[in-house]
Amino acid sequence: DGGITQSPKYLFRKEGQNVTLSCEQNLNHDAMYWYRQDPGQGLRLIYYSQIVNDFQKGDIAEGYSVSREKKESFPLTVTSAQKNPTAFYLCASSIPAGAANTGELFFGEGSRLTVL
Amino acid sequence: KQEVTQIPAALSVPEGENLVLNCSFTDSAIYNLQWFRQDPGKGLTSLLLIQSSQREQTSGRLNASLDKSSGRSTLYIAASQPGDSATYLCAGGQDNMLTFGGGTRLMVKP
Repeated sequence: DGGITQSPKYLFRKEGQNVTLSCEQNLNHDAMYWYRQDPGQGLRLIYYSQIVNDFQKGDIAEGYSVSREKKESFPLTVTSAQKNPTAFYLCASSIPAGAANTGELFFGEGSRLTVL
Repeated sequence: KQEVTQIPAALSVPEGENLVLNCSFTDSAIYNLQWFRQDPGKGLTSLLLIQSSQREQTSGRLNASLDKSSGRSTLYIAASQPGDSATYLCAGGQDNMLTFGGGTRLMVKP
């Protein structure tokens, strides 16, 4: 089945540690995204990538880093510089909108990070 | 910068009622408007996508409309069921990114 796989589902981290969240898609989508969701709030964009080896900062990129070495993979590292990292992290992918494409976004099941 | 607002933030209705969820956006230069459902602790499931050239889309008991000139979209749910209880989010697409509203938390009581 085609889809987006995020791992781990739950992650606990001590303050001062870096952690990496995995996102893999087999939908053959060019674009991939990372969003953060805090309780009772909408989603905020952290980073996005429209093509391999290229990515751009979103609205809240500080304290996060990404890489896009393969089309199917877009890992997110939450660094110790992120002041409030406890949140629900969602990865998404799409075919960029164009004449023949709707730009519909598909999501993984999310990773919940808790800093102890 | 695009801002998306959803009203109401929470809604509780008895089973069987028809209801409307509202979404407004500040920049009409969107190429699509997408509605999602989110169950607690889960990812987002795409419900309906309306492209900028369209006025509405329907899927089963769901109907979404888009009025770019007024910066509004509505999600209509007919004959609501307890299984419809979830958070519903709208998002406007622009520059290959989606900007999300804060969501409407819906509770349908049996």
